[in-house]
Amino acid sequence: AQKITQTQPGMFVQEKEAVTLDCTYDTSDPSYGLFWYKQPSSGEMIFLIYQGSYDQQNATEGRYSLNFQKARKSANLVISASQLGDSAMYFCAMRSYNTNAGKSTFGDGTTLTVKP
Amino acid sequence: SQTIHQWPATLVQPVGSPLSLECTVEGTSNPNLYWYRQAAGRGLQLLFYSVGIGQISSEVPQNLSASRPQDRQFILSSKKLLLSDSGFYLCAWTWGLAGSGNEQFFGPGTRLTVL
Repeated sequence: AQKITQTQPGMFVQEKEAVTLDCTYDTSDPSYGLFWYKQPSSGEMIFLIYQGSYDQQNATEGRYSLNFQKARKSANLVISASQLGDSAMYFCAMRSYNTNAGKSTFGDGTTLTVKP
Repeated sequence: SQTIHQWPATLVQPVGSPLSLECTVEGTSNPNLYWYRQAAGRGLQLLFYSVGIGQISSEVPQNLSASRPQDRQFILSSKKLLLSDSGFYLCAWTWGLAGSGNEQFFGPGTRLTVL
């Protein structure tokens, strides 16, 4: 069974500073993908960044980067130069590639508040 | 481009009443489809998924059911709602390729309150 753990229920960051949101995972599958999504108060789920288990380099997408440490089974999201619009709930998710069902397991999320 | 629709956006239903939530995807074919439920302030719980027409897999035993009558249509139903069915219901789709790094695309969600 897969499990995602996000240990920070809430985080605060000052505008223009960087913040790291933690995510650890547990799986016995050798091939998997890790995803981060953002959920503003409107409820929509917005895809941010993806990391494959065999990717050698950490993924980056604009101000988002993923600090992937495979041996430690962690996939932390780093947001650089925080903006007020970054205030939202952030979810880490994982998908095994052993089947084509594409099921994802989600963590409980971290609520990020950016202070002006 | 692909889009995903869900309706209704909000719903208030009495306990014991039936439920039907609909999700449709445009701009793609043979997607994998998913129903999730999210309790307030919590993560997403996978309820059902489907890899093809008429193929439904249930993840959590409950009084809900799902159907996929057409390739890009996914319906979540209940014959009798419980208070515990309240929550935010999200439909999602992805391409069904094994080993794919494709993300899931989510609909706007339905906020269900059972009174």
